[in-house]
Amino acid sequence: AQSVTQLGSHVSVSEGALVLLRCNYSSSVPPYLFWYVQYPNQGLQLLLKYTTGATLVKGINGFEAEFKKSETSFHLTKPSAHMSDAAEYFCAVSGNDYKLSFGAGTTVTVRA
Amino acid sequence: NAGVTQTPKFQVLKTGQSMTLQCAQDMNHNSMYWYRQDPGMGLRLIYYSASEGTTDKGEVPNGYNVSRLNKREFSLRLESAAPSQTSVYFCASGVGGETEAFFGQGTRLTVV
Repeated sequence: AQSVTQLGSHVSVSEGALVLLRCNYSSSVPPYLFWYVQYPNQGLQLLLKYTTGATLVKGINGFEAEFKKSETSFHLTKPSAHMSDAAEYFCAVSGNDYKLSFGAGTTVTVRA
Repeated sequence: NAGVTQTPKFQVLKTGQSMTLQCAQDMNHNSMYWYRQDPGMGLRLIYYSASEGTTDKGEVPNGYNVSRLNKREFSLRLESAAPSQTSVYFCASGVGGETEAFFGQGTRLTVV
């Protein structure tokens, strides 16, 4: 069975600073990995995903993530935080069984 | 584009009452999912349906039942609501596997 662990339930950054959100996965088969974002009182929307191929994946709003099989990680980064990045971020994993499992989420606050 | 539509958006139940949450998607997706979201616990999978005619338990299925009525619709039923089922419920759909899921706007359920 696959699962993900997000390290840190809350991250606070200054506007313009690096955003780094950590995600480690557990999967017995090559995983499909996703990052989603949730703004207050809304559903989830996809930021980016890794399936196969290039291990550095670029997403929307300047976010990117790197798949590292040796470290079983899929950390999300953004070089320069913007106030609009304040939201909750979820890492998720899927496999060939179509089951999609999420981490506990990381809330990002951005300080002016 | 409607995408994934959930009804109702808000609901208050008394302990022991029953109700059905409705979900419909118009994207011709095979897979559909029901999650609950609670503070600090992320999204937990209740049930999923990999294709029309199949349903499988997720992480927290106790107290819930589902019906995949047809390819478009996937309903979640609470037979005897309990305060522990107070949560925000999300329906999602997708092709499955390496393809991302698309989420509805959620149903905020309170059981008193």
